[in-house]
Amino acid sequence: DVKVTQSSRYLVKRTGEKVFLECVQDMDHENMFWYRQDPGLGLRLIYFSYDVKMKEKGDIPEGYSVSREKKERFSLILESASTNQTSMYLCASTEGSGGPYNEQFFGPGTRLTVL
Amino acid sequence: AQSVSQHNHHVILSEAASLELGCNYSYGGTVNLFWYVQYPGQHLQLLLKYFSGDPLVKGIKGFEAEFIKSKFSFNLRKPSVQWSDTAEYFCAVPGAGSGNTGKLIFGQGTTLQVKP
Repeated sequence: DVKVTQSSRYLVKRTGEKVFLECVQDMDHENMFWYRQDPGLGLRLIYFSYDVKMKEKGDIPEGYSVSREKKERFSLILESASTNQTSMYLCASTEGSGGPYNEQFFGPGTRLTVL
Repeated sequence: AQSVSQHNHHVILSEAASLELGCNYSYGGTVNLFWYVQYPGQHLQLLLKYFSGDPLVKGIKGFEAEFIKSKFSFNLRKPSVQWSDTAEYFCAVPGAGSGNTGKLIFGQGTTLQVKP
């Protein structure tokens, strides 16, 4: 089974802190994604990566950056956390071949609270 | 631009009632449609998907969805819900320029609460 793990289930940070969210997948997937999930808004794509060191902005990249130094690991960085970044953050991965036909596999999520 | 809209945000049903959750999409390319489900405390997971062929797609746990091209719809159905179907349900379509990236656009989600 594909396993996508995220470094923390719950995180509390203060405004202005730099925050790192880590995601690791164990199935050698090329594509990895970071979403935020908010009630009534569904999942919104922040960034995705289709290869090591390759990244593309999603729909809401402002205030975020990402890093993918190794194929299995995709990090989301909040450069200076703000209260409006309080949310559930979901990581996902999928195979590179086959494009939209492939299922996305999700991690358990990190619930981030910024005070 | 690709988009997906779910009509119902919160649905409450009694056990054994029939379920239909609405999903409408706007998509310019080859139609690929997905329903994902998130049970309480669990990971988001694929429920079913449509790529081509029979417009009636069957998924896990007795769910099915029908692709109606003329209505741009892909509604999720289940004839008789159980308490264990309590979850949040998301409809999704490929994102613009998704190519081989597998990028998806998700709807707003529908929270289903099934009362025992």
